[in-house]
Amino acid sequence: GQQVMQIPQYQHVQEGEDFTTYCNSSTTLSNIQWYKQRPGGHPVFLIQLVKSGEVKKQKRLTFQFGEAKKNSSLHITATQTTDVGTYFCAGRVDSSYKLIFGSGTRLLVRP
Amino acid sequence: GAGVSQSPRYKVTKRGQDVALRCDPISGHVSLYWYRQALGQGPEFLTYFNYEAQQDKSGLPNDRFSAERPEGSISTLTIQRTEQRDSAMYRCASSLRYSAGEQFFGPGTRLTVL
Repeated sequence: GQQVMQIPQYQHVQEGEDFTTYCNSSTTLSNIQWYKQRPGGHPVFLIQLVKSGEVKKQKRLTFQFGEAKKNSSLHITATQTTDVGTYFCAGRVDSSYKLIFGSGTRLLVRP
Repeated sequence: GAGVSQSPRYKVTKRGQDVALRCDPISGHVSLYWYRQALGQGPEFLTYFNYEAQQDKSGLPNDRFSAERPEGSISTLTIQRTEQRDSAMYRCASSLRYSAGEQFFGPGTRLTVL
């Protein structure tokens, strides 16, 4: 079945360092979403990417959708302690209702 | 405004018992999703409703799992004859419509089967 792989599983950075998580799908996606889940919390929507090669920015966060619409990345510039949490990508295939979530990248930030 | 609510927040049950988990979506949200999330993993799709119609139940693990949304608002996920492997966080999410993109997640129900 369709899978969405995410790497790395964990990332421990010093505050101020950059962070990137990568997401790869076994099939072409119609769109991809990113969510952030704080420890003990629930997933919170960050963004949706739809177009091939799309790049979107939210302050220090930059999201990219690959040209083939099979991969995506989230880059955080100059991490802060408030960035701590697990970042999930979630892809949708064709007109399916399903969101297939990656396994997440857990970000820890040393102050 | 109020977000997605779920009850109970925690449920401990004995193997073989039935459990019912409730989800109250954001008012006016047409689409409702159920997920199961294991520790350290992403949410795993279980089923989806558009209004009261269950459009996709392909993610339900077996026939012990069922869900309903009779009036197109509150939804119940029922697990019959629970087994230890059913222990997990069960999350509900809603969206304005399925094509709207953003899903709003509830706090989840932590189910423990002894």
